[in-house]
Amino acid sequence: NAGVTQTPKFQVLKTGQSMTLQCAQDMNHEYMSWYRQDPGMGLRLIHYSVGAGITDQGEVPNGYNVSRSTTEDFPLRLLSAAPSQTSVYFCASSFAGTSGRGDYNEQFFGPGTRLTVL
Amino acid sequence: SQELEQSPQSLIVQEGKNLTINCTSSKTLYGLYWYKQKYGEGLIFLMMLQKGGEEKSHEKITAKLDEKKQQSSLHITASQPSHAGIYLCGAAGPNDYKLSFGAGTTVTVRA
Repeated sequence: NAGVTQTPKFQVLKTGQSMTLQCAQDMNHEYMSWYRQDPGMGLRLIHYSVGAGITDQGEVPNGYNVSRSTTEDFPLRLLSAAPSQTSVYFCASSFAGTSGRGDYNEQFFGPGTRLTVL
Repeated sequence: SQELEQSPQSLIVQEGKNLTINCTSSKTLYGLYWYKQKYGEGLIFLMMLQKGGEEKSHEKITAKLDEKKQQSSLHITASQPSHAGIYLCGAAGPNDYKLSFGAGTTVTVRA
């Protein structure tokens, strides 16, 4: 298994440009999510998905779009990049389990994409 | 979302010494995750706790979730240079998998 893969590893954009960060997993996980990591702030949830065709907003969704057309892929789109979006982006996935009954599963993280917006 | 406070923010320990990191929440902790991150790399899963009083160990790392489920601690015994990195705690809500993270604890191990 490749686990969770992310591309690209590094990216530099100019303000106003758009791009898509790719995330894929080969573990048949229902749950996938995107986080951004900024110095001193830990990771913050951007968007998440509990299955193909289902997405929802996290803590910091503005300026980002997602879609989930397949179980394997969960791309993150930056519509019009801004310097405030300079960050390291992580994708994660896990089995959904039954959290309402205290059944949590390991969440696997990808290696990250380091994005700089000039 | 759940707010998690990690302490200390950073620590330097002599190789061979023990260290403890705390993760405190104002709300009940459900799925509590510990991850380790090397600078510039992804997150490595260490352990997940979900029952009050639960304790798990892997090699020289032990994590506990207190009975009231509002604090977790991560303890490293006889630290080694390989233990250096950033340790992050993350908490899931009672009915979902969205994780809220603490700001992290940076561990430096001096030879």
